[in-house]
Amino acid sequence: AQSVSQHNHHVILSEAASLELGCNYSYGGTVNLFWYVQYPGQHLQLLLKYFSGDPLVKGIKGFEAEFIKSKFSFNLRKPSVQWSDTAEYFCAVNGNSGYALNFGKGTSLLVTP
Amino acid sequence: EPEVTQTPSHQVTQMGQEVILRCVPISNHLYFYWYRQILGQKVEFLVSFYNNEISEKSEIFDDQFSVERPDGSNFTLKIRSTKLEDSAMYFCASGVALNTEAFFGQGTRLTVV
Repeated sequence: AQSVSQHNHHVILSEAASLELGCNYSYGGTVNLFWYVQYPGQHLQLLLKYFSGDPLVKGIKGFEAEFIKSKFSFNLRKPSVQWSDTAEYFCAVNGNSGYALNFGKGTSLLVTP
Repeated sequence: EPEVTQTPSHQVTQMGQEVILRCVPISNHLYFYWYRQILGQKVEFLVSFYNNEISEKSEIFDDQFSVERPDGSNFTLKIRSTKLEDSAMYFCASGVALNTEAFFGQGTRLTVV
C-alpha cells in the first residue's frame, strides 16, 4: 500500500540549531515529492518540491530537501532555524500519474528563542 | 498574489444536516481538490476534479459527498446527512496542471454537533 511516514511528530529546537525532518515513502513507480508548511492559523504553503533532476532541492526560506531514491526518503533540512519557523511540516507524495497528494502525519516544530 | 479562498472559515451544523463548503480556486487553475484533516490526524485526500468531472476520489468520498463547479469560479463540497465523525478541517486546493504543486486555501473548520 502507498504510504508516507514522518518519523518525528514533535520537535523542539533552539534558534540557530540545525533541523532535519525525516520523510519516507512507500510507492511503486515514479513519484513527485513535496514539503508543505502550515504556520499557526494559516493555510498549507509549499516549501519545496521534487519532480526530477537534481535530487537536492532548494526551497523557500532557506529550506532544502534531498531525494534519496534508494532509501525512499525525502528529508527536509535547514542549517539554522529561526523562531519564525515554528509551524507544522508535512511531507507529501503523489504518483506520477495520480491526482491525489498522500500526506504524512506531519511534524510539529517549535523553535525557542 | 492569487490565492484559494474558502468560506466559511468555521461552520457548525447539527448531525443529519447538509452543509456546503465553498471554495474559489485560483482563476487560471484547471485542477481542483478537496482534502480534510480530522483533529490530530493527517491531511487526507477526498477528491479531485478536472474538466467538470471527478478525476479521482478516495474511499472516504462516498455517496454522502458530492462536488460541483456551479459557475466559472466556485468549487463546492456538499456533505449530506452529516455525522459527528465528519467534524474536521476541510481544505480546498487548486493546481494549474496535473503533477504540479497544489495551492491550498485556509480551510473550513466543520463542527458537527
